[in-house]
Formats: sequence, structure tokens, C-alpha cells
Amino acid sequence: GENVEQHPSTLSVQEGDSAVIKCTYSDSASNYFPWYKQELGKGPQLIIDIRSNVGEKKDQRIAVTLNKTAKHFSLHITETQPEDSAVYFCAASRATDSWGKLQFGAGTQVVVTP
Amino acid sequence: GAVVSQHPSWVICKSGTSVKIECRSLDFQATTMFWYRQFPKQSLMLMATSNEGSKATYEQGVEKDKFLINHASLTLSTLTVTSAHPEDSSFYICSAREWVREGDYNEQFFGPGTRLTVL
Repeated sequence: GENVEQHPSTLSVQEGDSAVIKCTYSDSASNYFPWYKQELGKGPQLIIDIRSNVGEKKDQRIAVTLNKTAKHFSLHITETQPEDSAVYFCAASRATDSWGKLQFGAGTQVVVTP
Repeated sequence: GAVVSQHPSWVICKSGTSVKIECRSLDFQATTMFWYRQFPKQSLMLMATSNEGSKATYEQGVEKDKFLINHASLTLSTLTVTSAHPEDSSFYICSAREWVREGDYNEQFFGPGTRLTVL
């Protein structure tokens, strides 16, 4: 089955700096890659996603890149703010899975210090 | 955007009792709902997948007789933890997916989670 690895496990950045989280996946059939932000005691919230037919996607301060050949994708947060502090999870899914099950990475605790 | 609610948000129960958690899709019809369990500082672990009107499919290692899942309508799924024990204490999160068309990469919308504490 699919295996998603996520690094780093923790990331501390100064406010205004950029944060980068990287994930690798094992199943070449995976073609949907969402990123979720989870604040303490809450459910995950989708912040951005990318399909395998696209190499990069951007939404304001957040961007995701996908390298299908290397089977890795990354989340980039620019101009970080204290409210970006949370746990971020990457995930992967394959279109051939009719239920759309997601395989999650282990998560990255991001701390943005003022 | 699509909203998924869970009830209750937290529950404390005695060992040996059963607890039911509800998951509702508020503004869309969820053909598929997922139940996850999350321990502190860990990732989400998929417990089971349920499709409306059919039996749930459980992940390996999840006891189907202990974690009863019912998906009786397109907007409601329930998870019942039977004969709960302290090791069942965890954060339970549901998500819902709206199937639009074959091959569509529908995102999963997550509920706010339910904190279960078994004494």
C-alpha cells in the first residue's frame, strides 16, 4: 500500500521567514495530494491540494510543488505569521481507489515566533 | 464551503459503557464517510470507511465488533465505541466525501473531532 513520509517533524521559523515541509510517497498511482492544517483540539482543515497533472499550485502565501518522477511534493509558506503555527499534514490518494482513501504523513509541528 | 459537524465535541464515560459519536454533513450529501482516530502528537489513523446504505469497511487491526459504524443516510454516520476501556481514550475525527463523478478527486471535509476519555 501507499506510504507517505513527511519531514521535518518540527519546524521553528521567525515571523516573516519561509517554511518548507517535504513529503515523499511510494505508490506511483497516487495522483491527489492535499495538505491539511490542524490546530490544537480541532479537526484538520484543507489548505491546498494538487493533482498529478499539475506541477505547482499557489494560493496567496501558500504554494505546493509536485515532482512525480521523484515522487515527492512540498508545501511552501512564505511571510509566515504567528497564526500559521499548527501541525501540518500531507496526504496522498489514488484515483483508482473509488472511495478516495487518504494516506497521511506523520505531521510537522510548525512554530512561528514573533 | 462544505461543513461537517460532530457531536459530542467531548465525552467522558466509565469503563465498560458504550459511547455514540455522530458525524453530519450539513450542506452536502456524503456518499462516503471516514472515521479516524488520533492519539496525542500522532497522525490520523483511518479506522473505517462507510458508504451510505452498506456495511463499513474496517482497516486491518480495527475491531468491527468494538467500533460499530452506521451510515444510514447521506448526511449522517455514527460511530459507537462499545464496552469502552481507558485505552480507547482518543480524539475521534470523521470526514465526509461527496462523490460527484467518476475519477473526480473529491476532497474530504473533516469534522471538528470528538475527545473521548474513558475512566
